Amino acid sequence: TQLLEQSPQFLSIQEGENLTVYCNSSSVFSSLQWYRQEPGEGPVLLVTVVTGGEVKKLKRLTFQFGDARKDSSLHITAAQPGDTGLYLCAGGGGKLTFGKGITLSVRP
Amino acid sequence: DSGVTQTPKHLITATGQRVTLRCSPRSGDLSVYWYQQSLDQGLQFLIQYYNGEERAKGNILERFSAQQFPDLHSELNLSSLELGDSALYFCASSRREETQYFGPGTRLLVL
Repeated sequence: TQLLEQSPQFLSIQEGENLTVYCNSSSVFSSLQWYRQEPGEGPVLLVTVVTGGEVKKLKRLTFQFGDARKDSSLHITAAQPGDTGLYLCAGGGGKLTFGKGITLSVRP
Repeated sequence: DSGVTQTPKHLITATGQRVTLRCSPRSGDLSVYWYQQSLDQGLQFLIQYYNGEERAKGNILERFSAQQFPDLHSELNLSSLELGDSALYFCASSRREETQYFGPGTRLLVL
């Protein structure tokens, strides 16, 4: 069974700070996705990474896929209150395996 | 708005009952996936359909079943409901398997 572990589980920071969160596995994934979910809503796809070492940027968010395709990181520059939410990583295709998520709170 | 629609948004029912959740995928997407999200288990894959055929199965209980119709909408049937079935149920659709778009979910409460 492929497992994805996300860390830290909870993060509360001040607006304007930078942060990095992680998604790790002992298994190799063909691709990794990051989603953001707000309470009572469905996960919203942020990015898909498929190549080892790949870096993708989405405005202030930078996503990196590990060289061995077993891990990924998400870096947010100058966090804003609108970044608050649950960040989920998911691996594989079709039968997605999800991590438990990182709850991020950005205080104004 | 992901383009995936789910009905109903909320559902309250009693133990032992049967319910049907409905999902319409994004236009052009042939694959539909069902997931269950609970506080203790997180998001868990249940089942995938591709163009009307079952393609992959996760930890879906025997009391649960799904199907995808010729117009590509899908239904998830949950029967003999138990308190522990209370959860958020999400449908997702895709053209490429690694890029799935999720609907707003159905919140099921079993009393």
